[in-house]
Amino acid sequence: QKEVEQDPGPLSVPEGAIVSLNCTYSNSAFQYFMWYRQYSRKGPELLMYTYSSGNKEDGRFTAQVDKSSKYISLFIRDSQPSDSATYLCAMRRSGYSTLTFGKGTMLLVSP
Amino acid sequence: EAQVTQNPRYLITVTGKKLTVTCSQNMNHEYMSWYRQDPGLGLRQIYYSMNVEVTDKGDVPEGYKVSRKEKRNFPLILESPSPNQTSLYFCASSRDLGQPQHFGDGTRLSIL
Repeated sequence: QKEVEQDPGPLSVPEGAIVSLNCTYSNSAFQYFMWYRQYSRKGPELLMYTYSSGNKEDGRFTAQVDKSSKYISLFIRDSQPSDSATYLCAMRRSGYSTLTFGKGTMLLVSP
Repeated sequence: EAQVTQNPRYLITVTGKKLTVTCSQNMNHEYMSWYRQDPGLGLRQIYYSMNVEVTDKGDVPEGYKVSRKEKRNFPLILESPSPNQTSLYFCASSRDLGQPQHFGDGTRLSIL
């Protein structure tokens, strides 16, 4: 079983839709969870950074962590064509620097 | 503007010809790291550095070297590049171990 699983997509939605992106993981030691957005020919850009379980909201973005289910989600409200990108989840253990990434989900938002 | 700068952005070279990819950050970050990104494999860490003169291996260090002589710079060295090192490389930095990492825009290496 891979440490972090993420559906590669592509996920195609119309403008204005609510988008749900998800990752599952197997290592219960992961404590810090991140979502990155990556546009073509660019580096990953940090969107959300959360510690342990719970919800975090930032504008149109909400990150959820359910440690009991080993499941994290990123919700995007009122999606825009500019949200079209690949979304990467990442996580790490407390006291360790190494990030473990999902393979990324490609999101396409059509006007 | 806070940024992580990598050079070159693109490079085509041949097997065995030593090359260096530079990485520089202007945020006074202690922690720096190198990743490679391959289709179907995602991002994998090559090496990281907790501070000047402190480096350690990541998940895929074979065939790579790094050095951290100054806080702002963290070059990636391929002493004898091989075709299996053809990839997209990213440098990242963070204030310290506990903070999220910020990435450069990548270097696409093709080794023939």
